[in-house]
Amino acid sequence: EDKVVQSPLSLVVHEGDTVTLNCSYEVTNFRSLLWYKQEKKAPTFLFMLTSSGIEKKSGRLSSILDKKELFSILNITATQTGDSAIYLCAPTNSGTYKYIFGTGTRLKVLA
Amino acid sequence: NAGVTQTPKFRVLKTGQSMTLLCAQDMNHEYMYWYRQDPGMGLRLIHYSVGEGTTAKGEVPDGYNVSRLKKQNFLLGLESAAPSQTSVYFCASSYPLGQADSPLHFGNGTRLTVT
Repeated sequence: EDKVVQSPLSLVVHEGDTVTLNCSYEVTNFRSLLWYKQEKKAPTFLFMLTSSGIEKKSGRLSSILDKKELFSILNITATQTGDSAIYLCAPTNSGTYKYIFGTGTRLKVLA
Repeated sequence: NAGVTQTPKFRVLKTGQSMTLLCAQDMNHEYMYWYRQDPGMGLRLIHYSVGEGTTAKGEVPDGYNVSRLKKQNFLLGLESAAPSQTSVYFCASSYPLGQADSPLHFGNGTRLTVT
């Protein structure tokens, strides 16, 4: 059975701090891993990672995948209150066509 | 470009009533999914479809049925609602896994309460 574990479950930091969110997975027929940010409504797409060791960046956010050790991290530097959200990771199984979501990390950034 | 549209946005049902949630996408996506989200449980897959006329069960399919008669629409039905089906329901769609650009695109969700 495919599994995804995200850690920590929740995190409280102050503005300007740097945070690292973790996602470990066990997925047969692994294809890619996606990160999403969820505020009040629907999850919004951040990154899709398919290759090991190649960092993807978007502003203060970056992410990297390690296909050998089966994990990914999402880094957020110089955090802002607008980064407060639930961050979800989702590896994909190309055999079952599924995106498998973790329970997420709830990040709260205090002013 | 509307993306993924879910209707209704909110609904309150009594136990035993039935309803259908509609999902429509205008991105010509092959794959469509229904998830439910409960506090502390993340997103759990109910049913999904990898093409018009095909559907498959996810991890929590009991009490739900789906249909994909047209490529752009994916319907989720509750035949006899139960309080345990109180949740936020998200529809999502994507290109086939393996294509270069295949992130899931989500609708804005339907908040369903069963009393």
